[in-house]
Amino acid sequence: SQQGEEDPQALSIQEGENATMNCSYKTSINNLQWYRQNSGRGLVHLILIRSNEREKHSGRLRVTLDTSKKSSSLLITASRAADTASYFCATGGETSGSRLTFGEGTQLTVNP
Amino acid sequence: GAGVSQSPRYKVAKRGQDVALRCDPISGHVSLFWYQQALGQGPEFLTYFQNEAQLDKSGLPSDRFFAERPEGSVSTLKIQRTQQEDSAVYLCASSTRYSNQPQHFGDGTRLSIL
Repeated sequence: SQQGEEDPQALSIQEGENATMNCSYKTSINNLQWYRQNSGRGLVHLILIRSNEREKHSGRLRVTLDTSKKSSSLLITASRAADTASYFCATGGETSGSRLTFGEGTQLTVNP
Repeated sequence: GAGVSQSPRYKVAKRGQDVALRCDPISGHVSLFWYQQALGQGPEFLTYFQNEAQLDKSGLPSDRFFAERPEGSVSTLKIQRTQQEDSAVYLCASSTRYSNQPQHFGDGTRLSIL
C-alpha cells in the first residue's frame, strides 16, 4: 500500500516559474527521498533528507521535512522544460535493506 | 554503462504463460529490490535481497511470483501462470551496504498480459 499522498496530483507551470510539491506520510521514518521519473523510464534519485534534518538543498532543489506534521515539500526553482516528469516522495528506513514506500506522485509539466 | 540493467524492456505474454524478468544491478551493490508499478501509481515493494539471501518477500502478491539471486548479483523475477492483473512495469533497484543511501533504479520491464 502507498505510504501517503502527494499534492498536487498534477501541476502545470511556465518555464522560469517555481514548482512546489508536497508529500505526506503516515508512519515514523528514518529518511525521506525524492525521485523523478520520466515517461517510460526508471526512477532517478534527486535528494535524501534524514529524519533529524529540516531542510536540504541541491542545485535548484530545496527539500523541507516536518516530522511533527509528517510532511515534506520539494521546491524546484527556475523550472525548465526538461524538468517535466513525475516526482515521487519515498520514505525509507535506516538500514541498507530498507524498502522504499512511495507516494502516488505529482505529474509536473513545464511549458516552454 | 554502470547503471542497473533490466531485460527485456517490454514483454507481452498470453494469460497463463510463465515469464522471467532479469535484473543486472550495479556491480558491488549488496542490496537488490524489486518493485511493481501500476499505470499512474507509485512503485510498490515486492521483495528484497541482501547478496544471495532473500530477506523480505512480504510484498509478493501471490505464490505465482518467485524471485531469486543465486550468486548475489543478477536477479530474476519469475511470474507463473500470468493473469491480466499482473500487467505493470516491474522495476529493479540496487543500493550499497551503507545506511541512508539512495536506491538506483533500472528502466524497468513493461509486462502486458493479453
